[in-house]
Amino acid sequence: GAGVSQSPRYKVAKRGQDVALRCDPISGHVSLFWYQQALGQGPEFLTYFQNEAQLDKSGLPSDRFFAERPEGSVSTLKIQRTQQEDSAVYLCASSLEGRENTEAFFGQGTRLTVV
Amino acid sequence: EDQVTQSPEALRLQEGESSSLNCSYTVSGLRGLFWYRQDPGKGPEFLFTLYSAGEEKEKERLKATLTKKESFLHITAPKPEDSATYLCAVREYSSASKIIFGSGTRLSIRP
Repeated sequence: GAGVSQSPRYKVAKRGQDVALRCDPISGHVSLFWYQQALGQGPEFLTYFQNEAQLDKSGLPSDRFFAERPEGSVSTLKIQRTQQEDSAVYLCASSLEGRENTEAFFGQGTRLTVV
Repeated sequence: EDQVTQSPEALRLQEGESSSLNCSYTVSGLRGLFWYRQDPGKGPEFLFTLYSAGEEKEKERLKATLTKKESFLHITAPKPEDSATYLCAVREYSSASKIIFGSGTRLSIRP
């Protein structure tokens, strides 16, 4: 596709439910990032993949959060036993990488509301 | 620790009133500094990448500049459609570097 695609756009989960958020990056992009954005704040880093390798997961807030990118393309962010504080917009971005292609392009995000 | 600070938090301008947004950063080695625009309910939209001090880039009414410690986003004769949150982000020079964002500046242009 032409851009980064995320699904679903909106997700309402009951507290304690597991959720899975999907990201389709731009074709050929090596790197993939997940961010969490609270209202009125900048995106906060969660995790980073280079191809299928998860090189940095230092931003994942707890062991309830898990991300994977098994074939180096589509990625899934999974949140187990959701809690109200997990309510936020989850953004995915991809980057071509290279000497002068270091910027990332974002999807529209998934707004997660935990009730 | 790498840090990005943007100021002001919010800025209200009259249409046609030029101004600048500031982004101060600390990073060991800068791989790239990025400016994004974000509209409500949407993901950040990429605007510019700057790589080294002294570099400048322009797009319509926006011009981004970079020094060793900060970047400015200059907006000339803004229009109401320029109203948005502008985000600054940096990426460190390493083999596995994440992109770190500031909190953004909410820009509002009155007609």
